[in-house]
Amino acid sequence: DGGITQSPKYLFRKEGQNVTLSCEQNLNHDAMYWYRQDPGQGLRLIYYSQIVNDFQKGDIAEGYSVSREKKESFPLTVTSAQKNPTAFYLCATLGAGVSNQPQHFGDGTRLSIL
Amino acid sequence: GDSVTQMEGPVTLSEEAFLTINCTYTATGYPSLFWYVQYPGEGLQLLLKATKADDKGSNKGFEATYRKETTSFHLEKGSVQVSDSAVYFCALSGDTGNQFYFGTGTSLTVIP
Repeated sequence: DGGITQSPKYLFRKEGQNVTLSCEQNLNHDAMYWYRQDPGQGLRLIYYSQIVNDFQKGDIAEGYSVSREKKESFPLTVTSAQKNPTAFYLCATLGAGVSNQPQHFGDGTRLSIL
Repeated sequence: GDSVTQMEGPVTLSEEAFLTINCTYTATGYPSLFWYVQYPGEGLQLLLKATKADDKGSNKGFEATYRKETTSFHLEKGSVQVSDSAVYFCALSGDTGNQFYFGTGTSLTVIP
């Protein structure tokens, strides 16, 4: 089945700890995105990557880091510098070469503070 | 810059009622417009899209028409069901096709 797999579904972070959220896709899409979702605030862009080994900051990148070593994978690390990490995190992908296409989303990871 | 403004919720309707969720946008050029639906604890699923003025997107009884003159893309359904209870997001992608802008979401609850 083609799709986007986010893991884990639930994650708990202790004070001062870095945690990494996984996003894997087998849609052969070039672009990948990370969004943060808070109640009543819609989706806010954290980072995006249009090609392997390249990524750009979104609107709320502070306290987060990413890597894009493989086309299929775009992990997000929530660092201890992110003081309010509790949120629902969504990974999305977008195919290249065809305009006007929608993003595809994974099922999300819910991160909470212990 | 580009943006989407979406009707605030929550919206509560009785089964078989008519649904409208308003969405207006600001964009340079010729954006594509989308409606996504999110069920509890899940990601966003594409509901419908329209890529040029006067296009009508439709799916599962939902419809939305791309109105350039009013910069709107309102979501409608003639008769809602309990299973339509979810959060609905309006979104646009700009001319480059790889930057997306989302509304804040509208929560819909349909009661039997």
